[in-house]
Amino acid sequence: EAAVTQSPRNKVTVTGGNVTLSCRQTNSHNYMYWYRQDTGHGLRLIHYSYGAGNLQIGDVPDGYKATRTTQEDFFLLLELASPSQTSLYFCASRQGPSEVFFGKGTRLTVV
Amino acid sequence: GDSVTQTEGLVTLTEGLPVMLNCTYQSTYSPFLFWYVQHLNEAPKLLLKSFTDNKRPEHQGFHATLHKSSSSFHLQKSSAQLSDSALYYCALRGDSNYQLIWGSGTKLIIKP
Repeated sequence: EAAVTQSPRNKVTVTGGNVTLSCRQTNSHNYMYWYRQDTGHGLRLIHYSYGAGNLQIGDVPDGYKATRTTQEDFFLLLELASPSQTSLYFCASRQGPSEVFFGKGTRLTVV
Repeated sequence: GDSVTQTEGLVTLTEGLPVMLNCTYQSTYSPFLFWYVQHLNEAPKLLLKSFTDNKRPEHQGFHATLHKSSSSFHLQKSSAQLSDSALYYCALRGDSNYQLIWGSGTKLIIKP
C-alpha cells in the first residue's frame, strides 16, 4: 500500500507566524501535491511538483511557498500566516496517470 | 477549459434506498474519470475509475458508467448503507501532466 505521511497532524499558529508543513512519500512517485480542503470548496490545489527541485503553481498559490527537496519530501511554507489560511491541508502523490494517494492531513489553525 | 461539476452539495437518504450522485464534466480530450470517497477524519481514497472500453467499474457496491453523449459519470448504488455516509469527489484526469480536476464534492448522509 502506498504511503504518504504528513506532519504535524495538527498545528496552531498566530497571525503573522511562520509555518512549515511536511510530507514524505515512500512510493517512489514522481508527482506530489499540496491541497487545501474547505467546506464548500472541496480540494483546491496549492502547489505541485514532478520531481526533486521542481515546483509548479496550482490554483490557489497566494501566501504559500513550497519546496521539493528530494523525491520523497515535499514541504509547504506559510511565511506570514493569516486566518484565511486556516484549513485542512492534504499532501498527495502519484506516479504517471495512476491513482492519487493522500496523506492523513494536517489541520492548521491560524488565530 | 476542462471542468467537473457536482451539482449536489449535500444528499440525505434513508438506509436501503438507492443512491445516485451526479457528476458531469467538460473535457477537451478523451475523458478519464474517477470517484474518490472521504470518510470522516480520513483522507480521500479512490473508489472507482472509468474504463476506456465501456466496462462498468464497480467497488463496494458502487458503480458508475461513463456516458460520453451526456458528459456524465454518475455514481450509483442500489441500496444505501449507514457506512456509505461520506464526502464523495468526482475527478477528471486532465491532459496537462495528467493533473486531476476535482469537483466540489457531495456530502452523503445516510440515516437509519
